[in-house]
Amino acid sequence: NAGVTQTPKFQVLKTGQSMTLQCAQDMNHEYMSWYRQDPGMGLRLIHYSVGAGITDQGEVPNGYNVSRSTTEDFPLRLLSAAPSQTSVYFCASSSTGTADTEAFFGQGTRLTVV
Amino acid sequence: GNSVTQMEGPVTLSEEAFLTINCTYTATGYPSLFWYVQYPGEGLQLLLKATKADDKGSNKGFEATYRKETTSFHLEKGSVQVSDSAVYFCALSIGNQGGKLIFGQGTELSVKP
Repeated sequence: NAGVTQTPKFQVLKTGQSMTLQCAQDMNHEYMSWYRQDPGMGLRLIHYSVGAGITDQGEVPNGYNVSRSTTEDFPLRLLSAAPSQTSVYFCASSSTGTADTEAFFGQGTRLTVV
Repeated sequence: GNSVTQMEGPVTLSEEAFLTINCTYTATGYPSLFWYVQYPGEGLQLLLKATKADDKGSNKGFEATYRKETTSFHLEKGSVQVSDSAVYFCALSIGNQGGKLIFGQGTELSVKP
């Protein structure tokens, strides 16, 4: 039961570097999201997708890009990393877009930007 | 706007103590309410949920009741165990918004033997 798989688990970047955080799910879920977790702030939505080819911004999208070419994959790109992007990133998926649906989370990627 | 506020941690309890973690919300629509739990080194997982007023969600001895009149969804457990040590997040979701969740700040619980 793989569920939602994120890679890498840990990453250190220098300011200005770019990288892609990978997220894959094997549950055939249409809905996928990226959140960042910061101390004292809970999780905040970065970007989300309601299906292949469809993405939209969340609460804190600046500095991040996403695309959704397949149902399974939803990568998050940092174009030019900044220390403010030091955080733990979680990918989530859900089967429907209704309010009562359960979200399934990956184990997270801990990113440090120096 | 929509928001969730939960009591600050960390909370430290002895084993078998009673637990309450307060959660209140503000919502423009009629939300579903959730408690997610994050065990050390893991992602979040659903603990329980409630989708309408006066519903009680329950799981693993934890309970929370959807109180529309007080806009609250407090988490309770009668007797905590060391294995309950984790971070607990209250969250809401509204309407057909792609499963987007709005989270509270999280409350870290540490249970000592």
